[in-house]
Amino acid sequence: GDSVTQMEGPVTLSEEAFLTINCTYTATGYPSLFWYVQYPGEGLQLLLKATKADDKGSNKGFEATYRKETTSFHLEKGSVQVSDSAVYFCALNSGAGSYQLTFGKGTKLSVIP
Amino acid sequence: KAGVTQTPRYLIKTRGQQVTLSCSPISGHRSVSWYQQTPGQGLQFLFEYFSETQRNKGNFPGRFSGRQFSNSRSEMNVSTLELGDSALYLCASSPGTRTYEQYFGPGTRLTVT
Repeated sequence: GDSVTQMEGPVTLSEEAFLTINCTYTATGYPSLFWYVQYPGEGLQLLLKATKADDKGSNKGFEATYRKETTSFHLEKGSVQVSDSAVYFCALNSGAGSYQLTFGKGTKLSVIP
Repeated sequence: KAGVTQTPRYLIKTRGQQVTLSCSPISGHRSVSWYQQTPGQGLQFLFEYFSETQRNKGNFPGRFSGRQFSNSRSEMNVSTLELGDSALYLCASSPGTRTYEQYFGPGTRLTVT
């Protein structure tokens, strides 16, 4: 079945550091890929998405490229801020008419001033 | 547009009781999905409804059920509550386009004592 593996946290970075959170997936067909972010006490917010190979999703300085050859969708940001502290989830939808998302376990990011 | 709303936000129940959670999707969205989030199991898919029909169901016991109304609002019900049902229950809606993106509500925090 479908699965998503993302790097274990927690990750602690200094403000303005470079961020990478690794995500790899297993899926049949051609899944759509997503990154969601969850702030404390809140639901999930869609951060970015990519629907086909070589697509690059981007939002708020975050980027991720859909790499079919390595089945990866790594999240990157060039300069993190304290306000980026949150839990980040990689997710996929394998299509076929269902909107079910399969999530990774989440990576907690803490950014210190 | 207003986002996905969920009521109540917090709930405390006793083992053996039943509970009903409510979700109002973004206006115009016809697909509603439910997820359970726990520290141990992460985010797990419960079920998805589209135009009042359950299209997909996750691997949960029959104590978990749901429904969708003609205005796309959805409810989920858990009968005979167990301690292990304590979790954050998230509702997500989708516009129904083939990009498969979902937008989440803030969740209902259920505590079973």
